[in-house]
Amino acid sequence: EDKVVQSPLSLVVHEGDTVTLNCSYEVTNFRSLLWYKQEKKAPTFLFMLTSSGIEKKSGRLSSILDKKELFSILNITATQTGDSAVYLCAAFSTQGGSEKLVFGKGTKLTVNP
Amino acid sequence: GAVVSQHPSRVICKSGTSVKIECRSLDFQATTMFWYRQFPKKSLMLMATSNEGSKATYEQGVEKDKFLINHASLTLSTLTVTSAHPEDSSFYICSARVVGRGGRGYTFGSGTRLTVV
Repeated sequence: EDKVVQSPLSLVVHEGDTVTLNCSYEVTNFRSLLWYKQEKKAPTFLFMLTSSGIEKKSGRLSSILDKKELFSILNITATQTGDSAVYLCAAFSTQGGSEKLVFGKGTKLTVNP
Repeated sequence: GAVVSQHPSRVICKSGTSVKIECRSLDFQATTMFWYRQFPKKSLMLMATSNEGSKATYEQGVEKDKFLINHASLTLSTLTVTSAHPEDSSFYICSARVVGRGGRGYTFGSGTRLTVV
């Protein structure tokens, strides 16, 4: 059975701290790993990672994928209160004509002032 | 671009009644829509995949007679929760896939918080 496991499930930090969120996956026909930020409603797209070892950056956020270890991390540096959200990772897979996104449970990040 | 509009954002209904949730793709044609359910502190769980003009494909354990999905046009998919019970209370989110963008091409609706009393 396909599964995506995120850790930690919950994290509380102070503004300015750096955090690392973890995501491991076991998914058949894996194609890419996606990170989303969910703040109360719909998830918003952050990154899609397809190749190992290539870091993707967007401002204070960065992410990297290790396809050998089936693992990805999302880093947030100099955290701000606006970073408080649930961060979801999802494994995208395709088989024949169908495709699927399998989500982890998310990491709830709380950034205190 | 690639916006999915989901309505209603919040609904409260009585046990035994039915509730319809709509998802519309506003600026693209969504041949495939995905319906998810999210429990508190849990992941997004895929309920079903709907393709325009054909029957939806339900995930294991999802009752298709209870969660009716209709994808009658390229821009509209609906999920009807029939004979709702309190245990159906949850957050429901739809997602449409933008063709040609692979995993990046998923765009989500804003979700519907259903409370059954």
